[in-house]
Amino acid sequence: GAGVSQSPSNKVTEKGKDVELRCDPISGHTALYWYRQSLGQGLEFLIYFQGNSAPDKSGLPSDRFSAERTGGSVSTLTIQRTQQEDSAVYLCASSLVGMNTEAFFGQGTRLTVV
Amino acid sequence: AQSVTQPDIHITVSEGASLELRCNYSYGATPYLFWYVQSPGQGLQLLLKYFSGDTLVQGIKGFEAEFKRSQSSFNLRKPSVHWSDAAEYFCAVASPNAGNMLTFGGGTRLMVKP
Repeated sequence: GAGVSQSPSNKVTEKGKDVELRCDPISGHTALYWYRQSLGQGLEFLIYFQGNSAPDKSGLPSDRFSAERTGGSVSTLTIQRTQQEDSAVYLCASSLVGMNTEAFFGQGTRLTVV
Repeated sequence: AQSVTQPDIHITVSEGASLELRCNYSYGATPYLFWYVQSPGQGLQLLLKYFSGDTLVQGIKGFEAEFKRSQSSFNLRKPSVHWSDAAEYFCAVASPNAGNMLTFGGGTRLMVKP
């Protein structure tokens, strides 16, 4: 597609429920990133996929968070047993791999846990 | 670990006035440096980036930034601000070895007075 697409754009869920957030990267981009933007914490890196390599999960805040990337394209971020502190905007970005590349961001998914 | 500091949380300037947004980073070598802009409800848009070479970089929308190694700074400037520049601005760094795994500053919210 022309840009990074994220769905849904907004999600309201009850505390304790699981949620899945989807990211469609730019076609041909082999690197994909998830970030979280929240009032108290700013913009935080969550996880990074590059090609077929094992993802860098160093930014995931707890084991309730997981992500997968199927076929080297679409990615799903899953949050289990959501808590109110998970409320944030989740941003996905993709890029080419190599030096001097830049990341392109989607519009984000605003998650509200009530 | 790398870090980014944007000392000014809010800045208000008059339309037509010049603008400088400050960014200081902590990193062991020369990182990749970025400025992003985020309008309300939108994703992040890249304004400009520095990888190497000329320390004064030009970006979109009339913005420029200067990398000063001695000060560990990468300040964003614009000679004449337009009302449409009102947004939040984020400085970010990335390790040249880690693709676009970005570490962001806390952001500076720019307001423009008519």
